[in-house]
Amino acid sequence: KAGVTQTPRYLIKTRGQQVTLSCSPISGHRSVSWYQQTPGQGLQFLFEYFSETQRNKGNFPGRFSGRQFSNSRSEMNVSTLELGDSALYLCASSLPGPMGDGYTFGSGTRLTVV
Amino acid sequence: AQTVTQSQPEMSVQEAETVTLSCTYDTSENNYYLFWYKQPPSRQMILVIRQEAYKQQNATENRFSVNFQKAAKSFSLKISDSQLGDTAMYFCAFSRGNEKLTFGTGTRLTIIP
Repeated sequence: KAGVTQTPRYLIKTRGQQVTLSCSPISGHRSVSWYQQTPGQGLQFLFEYFSETQRNKGNFPGRFSGRQFSNSRSEMNVSTLELGDSALYLCASSLPGPMGDGYTFGSGTRLTVV
Repeated sequence: AQTVTQSQPEMSVQEAETVTLSCTYDTSENNYYLFWYKQPPSRQMILVIRQEAYKQQNATENRFSVNFQKAAKSFSLKISDSQLGDTAMYFCAFSRGNEKLTFGTGTRLTIIP
C-alpha cells in the first residue's frame, strides 16, 4: 500500500513569507499528526487532526496552523516565516482506535528560511 | 507531562554484534504505548517495534527486541546480528494512545563494517 506522502520534499522561503505543506495519509488512516524536527529542539508535536477536526495541539505560536480535508489529506501553514522555522516537518498518519498499526511517517518536507 | 530520556547520544558497534539502546520515561499513566523509531539519512521515520504497557511480554520483531521494565520505566532496544543498514538515528517515543508521540533526543547508531 502507498505510504504517507509529503510534498514538497524541499522548500526555500524568505523571512516574512508564508508556506503551505501537504500530507496525504495512508488510505484508511483518518488521523494525521505534524511534527517539527530541529537539531536544537528535537522532535516536537505541532498538531493532530482527526475527521477534519483538530484534536490535539502542541505549544507553537498561532503562526502555525493546519487543516484536514474530507479525504483525510492535511495541510499545515506557517505565516510570517522566521529563520527559526527552518526545520524538517514530518507528517504521520494512523488508523482510528487506540493505536492501530502505530504511526506511519512520511519522508518530511525540509523547509529552509533565508 | 510525559518525558522520554535517551542517555546515549552516539553508539557504534561492529557488524554482526549485538547492541542495546537505552530509554527511560516518566509518566503517571498506567496504560500507554512505547515505540522505537529508526530515522536513516533518507529522513523517513520508520517504526521498528512497539510495546503496549499492559502487556508484560516483551515485543520482538526479527532481530529487534525490547526489554520493557514497567516499574523501572525503562524501555531498551536490543539489535542482534547488527547490519550496515541498521546505521541510523534511533528515537524512543511514548504515547498515551490516540495522542501525540513524545520523543527522546535520539541515539545515533553506527554499524562498523
